[in-house]
Amino acid sequence: KQEVTQIPAALSVPEGENLVLNCSFTDSAIYNLQWFRQDPGKGLTSLLLIQSSQREQTSGRLNASLDKSSGRSTLYIAASQPGDSATYLCAVPGSARQLTFGSGTQLTVLP
Amino acid sequence: DGGITQSPKYLFRKEGQNVTLSCEQNLNHDAMYWYRQDPGQGLRLIYYSQIVNDFQKGDIAEGYSVSREKKESFPLTVTSAQKNPTAFYLCASSIADTETQYFGPGTRLLVL
Repeated sequence: KQEVTQIPAALSVPEGENLVLNCSFTDSAIYNLQWFRQDPGKGLTSLLLIQSSQREQTSGRLNASLDKSSGRSTLYIAASQPGDSATYLCAVPGSARQLTFGSGTQLTVLP
Repeated sequence: DGGITQSPKYLFRKEGQNVTLSCEQNLNHDAMYWYRQDPGQGLRLIYYSQIVNDFQKGDIAEGYSVSREKKESFPLTVTSAQKNPTAFYLCASSIADTETQYFGPGTRLLVL
């Protein structure tokens, strides 16, 4: 059974810092990996989807990498802003091709 | 204005009562999903539907039921058999089950 782990569970950084969020998964036979953002009490917003044939995907200040062989993905946020404060979740297809989510990293960017 | 809507935003359930959460999408997506999120936890899949008139159980289907009579609608009923229903419920849809999922704003269910 696919298991997804996100470390750290919470992270607090000053504005302007570059930061990395980590995601690891146990079954490397995945065809994609997704990163989502969740604001408090809200639904999820898809940030990036990396196909298994890709090594990274970029959107603005966000860059996500995927290393299937080691079962890891990282989300890099450049020049962090207070508006980036949210919970970031990664998800991979598990059994029956349905998504298995990590428990998220709660990010706080201090002005 | 395309998207996924969920209603109500907050729902209160009395003990022994069945309640139904609404999920509607106008994205013309075939696949729809229901997730449960507990505080500090990731999402867990309750039910999913890949096409109209068909649905499958997820990891935590006990105490829940769904229907998929129309492409745009996927209501979730929390039955009295669900002994710990307090959670944040999220509905999602996608073009196909291998594609990006788009989420609704969620319904918070509380027990009186």
